[in-house]
Amino acid sequence: GAVVSQHPSWVICKSGTSVKIECRSLDFQATTMFWYRQFPKQSLMLMATSNEGSKATYEQGVEKDKFLINHASLTLSTLTVTSAHPEDSSFYICSARPPQGAGAEAFFGQGTRLTVV
Amino acid sequence: DAKTTQPTSMDCAEGRAANLPCNHSTISGNEYVYWYRQIHSQGPQYIIHGLKNNETNEMASLIITEDRKSSTLILPHATLRDTAVYYCIVRVANDYKLSFGAGTTVTVRA
Repeated sequence: GAVVSQHPSWVICKSGTSVKIECRSLDFQATTMFWYRQFPKQSLMLMATSNEGSKATYEQGVEKDKFLINHASLTLSTLTVTSAHPEDSSFYICSARPPQGAGAEAFFGQGTRLTVV
Repeated sequence: DAKTTQPTSMDCAEGRAANLPCNHSTISGNEYVYWYRQIHSQGPQYIIHGLKNNETNEMASLIITEDRKSSTLILPHATLRDTAVYYCIVRVANDYKLSFGAGTTVTVRA
């Protein structure tokens, strides 16, 4: 099946700094990718939809200026957590819409564990 | 606006079948039933999906009731590596913007 890879798998950063997380579709082109956030013992919550070549669509309550999304190519979307604070510590997961005819399931990355200290 | 209801948790014995129920009484005619699972600290993994017929693949079987208001995911021979949170999601086929509920935490015990 298709592979989606995230980098880094985990990151620790200081409060006030910015962190970039990459989501790559390794063997297919993804015009649309999705970013989720998961706090401990909670379910995944959709943050935004990343569209190649256009602005991301954010879910209600997600600050677009804090969580910058760039989908500059058909295989890469990035999520930048700007001016990170301890409350941004979470598990961030991306998924990619598969290409046409490739099946109906969504493909997920392995997740990025962000810890802000 | 959860569209599915699942038990919070369940235990099952290694080697036995695990039957995971899901209620989706408001499912629409064009919505499929999807199952994903999430092993601790990993991204979700697709398991199986179906519209109205029962489905089987190398991982599991999916039984959907005739009125489509509920379904059961069956792991035929549970192993310790099947310990995970299992999510039942209803969606239209080309909508990859997934809404995850709380899921069922399945613990397989030796």
